[in-house]
Amino acid sequence: SAVISQKPSRDICQRGTSLTIQCQVDSQVTMMFWYRQQPGQSLTLIATANQGSEATYESGFVIDKFPISRPNLTFSTLTVSNMSPEDSSIYLCSVEDLAYNEQFFGPGTRLTVL
Amino acid sequence: AQSVTQLDSHVSVSEGTPVLLRCNYSSSYSPSLFWYVQHPNKGLQLLLKYTSAATLVKGINGFEAEFKKSETSFHLTKPSAHMSDAAEYFCVVSPGASKIIFGSGTRLSIRP
Repeated sequence: SAVISQKPSRDICQRGTSLTIQCQVDSQVTMMFWYRQQPGQSLTLIATANQGSEATYESGFVIDKFPISRPNLTFSTLTVSNMSPEDSSIYLCSVEDLAYNEQFFGPGTRLTVL
Repeated sequence: AQSVTQLDSHVSVSEGTPVLLRCNYSSSYSPSLFWYVQHPNKGLQLLLKYTSAATLVKGINGFEAEFKKSETSFHLTKPSAHMSDAAEYFCVVSPGASKIIFGSGTRLSIRP
């Protein structure tokens, strides 16, 4: 199974600033995913990140607000831009393991925007 | 469209009694189904998964789930609850193409 790490684990930011979250996987994977979990809510998919192509965003999420990079098969970043208190959430990355037919999740980044 | 509905937002049981967390799905074809658990301030952990093999799926920590196509259900059960089972549980459906859809979650509380 894939082991996923995220940095930072948590952060407190001022409104109007941006934060970049890093996701590192211990093996090469084709597809990586970014999710948002708002307080007391379930997980919502933000976008799918494939290496070598632009990320695919879900309805309600746009690249200007959540730019994503995928420079290689083991790493991705998600930036939360021009933050507001409504962006306070846990952001999780995940990878798909085709051999196991399941997704593995990182520990999440807990973001608080003041 | 694929969807998953968790019928209870909160379930509370006494330690040592059975646990039942209910999940119904909607899919135009046979999906893959999963249960994940999220302990407070911890990441998501896969409990079990159904991928069109045996309809009764056994997972970790004594949990199991039964896929019932006629009822479009995938309920999670455990014969005897333990205090450490207190957590948020998510039923997840994978309609294919690598996407997964999360249910709204069920918070399980265990009374001493």
